[in-house]
Amino acid sequence: DQQVKQNSPSLSVQEGRISILNCDYTNSMFDYFLWYKKYPAEGPTFLISISSIKDKNEDGRFTVFLNKSAKHLSLHIVPSQPGDSAVYFCAAKGNSGGSNYKLTFGKGTLLTVNP
Amino acid sequence: DTEVTQTPKHLVMGMTNKKSLKCEQHMGHRAMYWYKQKAKKPPELMFVYSYEKLSINESVPSRFSPECPNSSLLNLHLHALQPEDSALYLCASSGANVLTFGAGSRLTVL
Repeated sequence: DQQVKQNSPSLSVQEGRISILNCDYTNSMFDYFLWYKKYPAEGPTFLISISSIKDKNEDGRFTVFLNKSAKHLSLHIVPSQPGDSAVYFCAAKGNSGGSNYKLTFGKGTLLTVNP
Repeated sequence: DTEVTQTPKHLVMGMTNKKSLKCEQHMGHRAMYWYKQKAKKPPELMFVYSYEKLSINESVPSRFSPECPNSSLLNLHLHALQPEDSALYLCASSGANVLTFGAGSRLTVL
């Protein structure tokens, strides 16, 4: 049972345009959501996060939107740059007991930004 | 220091070998993790240590044995592994909600 879903395995955008990566979740106990970026043969790097009490969080070119009623979040990158090309993982965690430590990842979306 | 350091970066071992992966952080984080990642898959949680005590074991086979000697160090002892255990092993630590990952140890079991 996949609790965090990234239904687009890949996305290709032009440099300077907006990249929108989507993520859906099924577990209503999740209350904190994170996006990680990963290059091949490296560990995931934290990008941005959002608590369930918010609907938007912005950090420079990166904005994450959360729609709790739809159990959907998205990562917007504006403007996209070639260096943003990587696999992006959506992740979620709960806040009680062991779930406080357990980060559940989606399968990832490969973003390619073309010059 | 905002890094998680993992050694070795690459490890090749036979199925009868005993080896260890090491992880170190100096961010004062009290939770440390081992994840396993296969190609084109998301990271999968193996173990969580909280305040140097094993908090979560995701039904990992006993040929993987974690150890947390102190709050900065985390080891993963490997014995009698199978070729299907070949993967990128990621260590992470966290103070609150955000996990900081190391670069990983690429393990190949022959």
